Amino acid sequence: EAAVTQSPRNKVAVTGGKVTLSCNQTNNHNNMYWYRQDTGHGLRLIHYSYGAGSTEKGDIPDGYKASRPSQENFSLILELATPSQTSVYFCASGEGGGQNTLYFGAGTRLSVL
Amino acid sequence: GDSVTQTEGLVTLTEGLPVMLNCTYQSTYSPFLFWYVQHLNEAPKLLLKSFTDNKRPEHQGFHATLHKSSSSFHLQKSSAQLSDSALYYCALSDLGGANTGKLTFGHGTILRVHP
Repeated sequence: EAAVTQSPRNKVAVTGGKVTLSCNQTNNHNNMYWYRQDTGHGLRLIHYSYGAGSTEKGDIPDGYKASRPSQENFSLILELATPSQTSVYFCASGEGGGQNTLYFGAGTRLSVL
Repeated sequence: GDSVTQTEGLVTLTEGLPVMLNCTYQSTYSPFLFWYVQHLNEAPKLLLKSFTDNKRPEHQGFHATLHKSSSSFHLQKSSAQLSDSALYYCALSDLGGANTGKLTFGHGTILRVHP
């Protein structure tokens, strides 16, 4: 089974500070995704990537940047964190295509105070 | 754009009773549909997904039938178990456009099964 590892697992940040969430996958999947999970909203796509060097905007990209320096690593960057970005963030990887199965990491719980 | 609508909020059941979680969708093209399950403090993981040849997918006693005429993919199980208590997401993958493999998720339904 695909292994997707996120770090940190928990993070407390201050408003206006910079936050970087990291994700590593060992399954050699081309595609990687960042979702946030909020009660009443489910999982919403922030950014995704087709491979090293590629980043694409998802459905809610405002306030977030992404970086894919290698096949294995995909980071989510909050340059100026706000309390509205308090959430649980999930990274996922997949092979792509219509029947694409996503393999999720364990999640990062972020609190912005 | 694509959207998924699920049974709202919380569904509470007695162990042994049948489970049905509703999922309807809107999509420009003919999508693949998925059910993901997330147990407490765990990552979401795939439960089952629709087939191209209209076979009914089944896993761990759960099954779902894709009805294109009604744009539905309801999740069913004949007899609920305590271990089925979890958050369930219905999702779709749009086969049109760039075929990115992105999934659009519903808001999720919490299933609680009690003795």
